[in-house]
Amino acid sequence: DTEVTQTPKHLVMGMTNKKSLKCEQHMGHRAMYWYKQKAKKPPELMFVYSYEKLSINESVPSRFSPECPNSSLLNLHLHALQPEDSALYLCASSRNSGGGTDTQYFGPGTRLTVL
Amino acid sequence: QQQVKQSPQSLIVQKGGISIINCAYENTAFDYFPWYQQFPGKGPALLIAIRPDVSEKKEGRFTISFNKSAKQFSLHIMDSQPGDSATYFCAASIGGGYNKLIFGAGTRLAVHP
Repeated sequence: DTEVTQTPKHLVMGMTNKKSLKCEQHMGHRAMYWYKQKAKKPPELMFVYSYEKLSINESVPSRFSPECPNSSLLNLHLHALQPEDSALYLCASSRNSGGGTDTQYFGPGTRLTVL
Repeated sequence: QQQVKQSPQSLIVQKGGISIINCAYENTAFDYFPWYQQFPGKGPALLIAIRPDVSEKKEGRFTISFNKSAKQFSLHIMDSQPGDSATYFCAASIGGGYNKLIFGAGTRLAVHP
């Protein structure tokens, strides 16, 4: 099973709301990623967790707050977002084996609209 | 140095034809080059990947050609089908545990029947 699941599929929120995106994988992967993808653009890396520790934060605004409660789960907490934050948010995971060729498996994404 | 340049931006091919997408990079530390296929409303899915110690890799109708000296690699889709219509992203990463993928800008492929 090479599935990464994401919930919800769609989310509409106001600029004062607090919401969370959820990602789950049961492949035993120890690296998990959040990406943001705008229309007709490639995915942009936001955060990387390696063995449940935040390893990379690509200078993401603090209104995005990641959390990795355990090795299978990854959350992205959203607060006070701006309309320009509307995008497809993708989660991915990889083995983190150190071999350098680990495949990143992507979830289907959450389509976020900020009003 | 961290960029991966991809061309063309869009491509129209007749059914049965060959689709060719090219990518170039500058950072010689990159050692893993995957191609992802993305359909509208879906996440990217790994199509095929290559390491720089191999000049060509073929999986079914999909072939990666890799030219280490020119720092270029390309995806060839043989016998292109309408079901291949999608956006294709090349990427590169430096190995070692988790991989920070650097994506190309993407190529929107349309295969006409």
